[in-house]
Amino acid sequence: QKEVEQNSGPLSVPEGAIASLNCTYSDRGSQSFFWYRQYSGKSPELIMSIYSNGDKEDGRFTAQLNKASQYVSLLIRDSQPSDSATYLCVRVPMRFGAGTRLTVKP
Amino acid sequence: GAVVSQHPSRVICKSGTSVKIECRSLDFQATTMFWYRQFPKQSLMLMATSNEGSKATYEQGVEKDKFLINHASLTLSTLTVTSAHPEDSSFYICSARDRTGGREQYFGPGTRLTVT
Repeated sequence: QKEVEQNSGPLSVPEGAIASLNCTYSDRGSQSFFWYRQYSGKSPELIMSIYSNGDKEDGRFTAQLNKASQYVSLLIRDSQPSDSATYLCVRVPMRFGAGTRLTVKP
Repeated sequence: GAVVSQHPSRVICKSGTSVKIECRSLDFQATTMFWYRQFPKQSLMLMATSNEGSKATYEQGVEKDKFLINHASLTLSTLTVTSAHPEDSSFYICSARDRTGGREQYFGPGTRLTVT
């Protein structure tokens, strides 16, 4: 079982819709999670961190963590074409999911 | 803030030669830096964790004699790929953790290595 699992996608949503990205992890002791965005040929950039159960909102992004279910998600509201990228779910110590490729269609 | 640079951004070298890649934290001090490798359409794979003033910790399966890491200061870590072969061609990315901050890592722009 992979330490961090994501659906590779591609996930396609229309502009303005909510994009929902999901991630599960195997190590029940994991405490900290990050979501990174990676454009093709570029390095990852940090979107959000989440450490405690519940929701954390930052602008159009909401991260959700459910430690009992070992589940992390990222919601992107009002999706824009510029949000089209691969989204990486990461747990600390740094283990990356394979990433979900998101395409937002105008 | 939290800017990390890498140099060079692209490098082409011949098989058997060595290549050094630099990673610098520009506006913060980083006691810990990380080196990753990413092959096309694959996720990042952590190669090693570099701690200032001490030996790097390598992930399983990464040859420490082939990938030499030096973290001589709080703002600079280097990765040297020794005796490079075509299969070492990849996108090498470093990241750094701010010593005064949280657990987030900030990534450099990456170095694309091509070994011919």
